Amino acid sequence: NAGVTQTPKFRILKIGQSMTLQCTQDMNHNYMYWYRQDPGMGLKLIYYSVGAGITDKGEVPNGYNVSRSTTEDFPLRLELAAPSQTSVYFCASSYSSLTNTEAFFGQGTRLTVV
Amino acid sequence: KQEVTQIPAALSVPEGENLVLNCSFTDSAIYNLQWFRQDPGKGLTSLLLIQSSQREQTSGRLNASLDKSSGRSTLYIAASQPGDSATYLCAVRANFGNEKLTFGTGTRLTIIP
Repeated sequence: NAGVTQTPKFRILKIGQSMTLQCTQDMNHNYMYWYRQDPGMGLKLIYYSVGAGITDKGEVPNGYNVSRSTTEDFPLRLELAAPSQTSVYFCASSYSSLTNTEAFFGQGTRLTVV
Repeated sequence: KQEVTQIPAALSVPEGENLVLNCSFTDSAIYNLQWFRQDPGKGLTSLLLIQSSQREQTSGRLNASLDKSSGRSTLYIAASQPGDSATYLCAVRANFGNEKLTFGTGTRLTIIP
């Protein structure tokens, strides 16, 4: 039972570098999300997707990009890393139905930008 | 704008005690509320989900209640164990079709053996 899988688990980036955080789910969920978690701040939504080919901005999208070419995958791209992007990133997925909207989360990617 | 608050930020109780964690939200027009557990350095594990039409949900030693009109939810943990030590987060979903979750900042629970 893989659920939601994120890679890598840890990464250190230099300012201005780029990287892609990978997320895949095997539950055939239509909704997928990216959140970031900063100490004492709770989780903030970066981007989300309601299905393949459809993405939308969340609360804090600046500096990030996403794509959703398949139901299973939802990568998050950082083009020009900045120290403010140091955080723990969580990918999540859920169904969207009247009776089942429970969200499932991956184990997180801890990113440090120096 | 929906705001979710969890007080206290940290709580320590002796093993075996029953305890209650609190979650409050400013906009009562929610679709459902979900409680999560987060262990240090780990992801979030879903514990309970309560639909807006429900008053409570139970899973083992956990019981979550929802009072939409007053903007409150509680998570009751019976007979606490050291393994219950974790951060507990609540999150609300605005309405069906709007699947974004608004999270509280969590309560860090420590069970003292």
